[in-house]
Amino acid sequence: DTAVSQTPKYLVTQMGNDKSIKCEQNLGHDTMYWYKQDSKKFLKIMFSYNNKELIINETVPNRFSPKSPDKAHLNLHINSLELGDSAVYFCATAPGQNVADTQYFGPGTRLTVL
Amino acid sequence: SQKIEQNSEALNIQEGKTATLTCNYTNYSPAYLQWYRQDPGRGPVFLLLIRENEKEKRKERLKVTFDTTLKQSLFHITASQPADSATYLCALPGDSGNTPLVFGKGTRLSVIA
Repeated sequence: DTAVSQTPKYLVTQMGNDKSIKCEQNLGHDTMYWYKQDSKKFLKIMFSYNNKELIINETVPNRFSPKSPDKAHLNLHINSLELGDSAVYFCATAPGQNVADTQYFGPGTRLTVL
Repeated sequence: SQKIEQNSEALNIQEGKTATLTCNYTNYSPAYLQWYRQDPGRGPVFLLLIRENEKEKRKERLKVTFDTTLKQSLFHITASQPADSATYLCALPGDSGNTPLVFGKGTRLSVIA
């Protein structure tokens, strides 16, 4: 079983569209994250949730809205997609809220906005 | 906020040699530092964590050092193998306290047979 899974793996869409990326974990971890890795390979945190509660929102445009329906899922909805949103998006989990905790990453979703 | 420099974007070494990757940070000294490995098309995978009171940490062929005076961590892979070829990222807290991890850009290591 994959510990942290994301769907879809690839997403190609037009500017202005709305899309969602889903993340599921079977590790029983309390904390889940969304990261963005741009073309320059910088991996930057976007959001952090702990037990379905938003903990961190790193000045991400409000076109990005995370939703955690339960502790095992953290989905990312993006409205009005822009060219600059093209990147690889990673979901990650950790046992607790301590930033020193090991993070377990999903395989990534490559988003291409045309 | 914290700035991280992994000052080799790419490193090529011969199989069997020791690879040494560098991670420098510029601002406050973190309580710990982590190293991750990322293969193409995959998410990062945790390798090692070293705390500020630990000078050195080992795991199989991997060794990490942490010098808070130099604000630097070194990551060594001994007896390197082609399978070690990947991008290696260092990560540390963005600021004091329990702030989110900041990742370096990574060093892409190629081990040539």
